[in-house]
Amino acid sequence: QVQLVESGGGLVKPGGSLRLSCAASGFMFSDYYMTWIRQTPGKGLEWVSHISTGGGDIYYADSVKGRFTISRDNAKNSLYLQMNSLRAEDTAVYYCARDHYEGSLAPSTARHWGQGTLVTVSS
Amino acid sequence: EIVLTQSPGTLSLSPGERATLSCRASQSVSSSYLAWYQQKPGQAPRLLIYVTSTRATGIPDRFSGSGSGTDFTLTISRLEPEDFAVYYCQQYGSSPLTFGGGTKVEIK
Repeated sequence: QVQLVESGGGLVKPGGSLRLSCAASGFMFSDYYMTWIRQTPGKGLEWVSHISTGGGDIYYADSVKGRFTISRDNAKNSLYLQMNSLRAEDTAVYYCARDHYEGSLAPSTARHWGQGTLVTVSS
Repeated sequence: EIVLTQSPGTLSLSPGERATLSCRASQSVSSSYLAWYQQKPGQAPRLLIYVTSTRATGIPDRFSGSGSGTDFTLTISRLEPEDFAVYYCQQYGSSPLTFGGGTKVEIK
């Protein structure tokens, strides 16, 4: 069955960095768009970033553009999110999610989600 | 950016009652690419409905979606105890993909 396991969250000071990882199994990782979605109590769900199967289509929300970098390693069935210059407003649970459609040319819905990893940015 | 506004913010109902949740978009949602998710405390969201009205695998038929353009509805025909949760809509017809703010369905 599809499994997505995030890791790398934790407490970091403002201006610091973290790298989130998502280990995928149970499906052909290289055939799906992958996405990072975050959830905060105040702002709800936010589509942070997505990456196409080969990495040619990458999106970032304006709130993280220039600070976050998404990447994937299809040989290792892994998704990453490098987060730099972190701010208090980046505090959230970060979810890794798999797209609904295999071989899709555009992202759609988050069909499968990981359990989430908490990122707390505080001094 | 398409802004999705969900109403009501909270719906207080009893088991067995019908729940009607609204999701209104600031612009027309292309190709009816509107989805609904359910989230229970401490869990990740779960996809319920996509393309406005198609149930995801394993979703009971008491859940139904409808709508077009800018107005969409999720209906739960008869609330079961496990249906009390927060529901989010999401549009994926245009970039950026966006979520609504959620509707909490609570036990009355």
